[in-house]
Amino acid sequence: GQNIDQPTEMTATEGAIVQINCTYQTSGFNGLFWYQQHAGEAPTFLSYNVLDGLEEKGRFSSFLSRSKGYSYLLLKELQMKDSASYLCAVRSENQGGKLIFGQGTELSVKP
Amino acid sequence: IAGITQAPTSQILAAGRRMTLRCTQDMRHNAMYWYRQDLGLGLRLIHYSNTAGTTGKGEVPDGYSVSRANTDDFPLTLASAVPSQTSVYFCASREGQSDTDTQYFGPGTRLTVL
Repeated sequence: GQNIDQPTEMTATEGAIVQINCTYQTSGFNGLFWYQQHAGEAPTFLSYNVLDGLEEKGRFSSFLSRSKGYSYLLLKELQMKDSASYLCAVRSENQGGKLIFGQGTELSVKP
Repeated sequence: IAGITQAPTSQILAAGRRMTLRCTQDMRHNAMYWYRQDLGLGLRLIHYSNTAGTTGKGEVPDGYSVSRANTDDFPLTLASAVPSQTSVYFCASREGQSDTDTQYFGPGTRLTVL
């Protein structure tokens, strides 16, 4: 089966850096996605990792270690608008494009 | 380009009634998905379709059916709604040409079954 774990909630200060962790167990790993979801809205794509290492996109970076079944999303220079839920999702081989989502991490950015 | 649209935006439904949630995409994506999102449980896949004319079951398919008569539309039907189907329903689509394709989500339908 597949299992994805991420913290339920986190709090950080505006201007700071926060790291949101995700651990997963899956057979035939074939990619990990991070999505951002503001309250009452649809999830929107942030990043994709399939090889080990760091992918950087502006203030957001995502890291993957396949041997450890571990990923993190790093948010720099936090802004109030970054307050949202961050969803980790895993894709497996032989499952087509289907994703299995974690429960999401609710991030609150305080002034 | 509208992307993915869903209708209705929200609905209150009596238990036992039949309901169809509509999803339309104008990106000519091959694959489409239906998820439900519940507090503490995250997004769970109900049904999916890799291409027009084919459908498959996800994690939580019971009580739901889908059809994929053409590329653009992927309706989700609740034959006889029950209160446990109260949820927010998201439709998503993916180009489907490679494994790196991203899923794009519609705005969601908030359904309450009383």
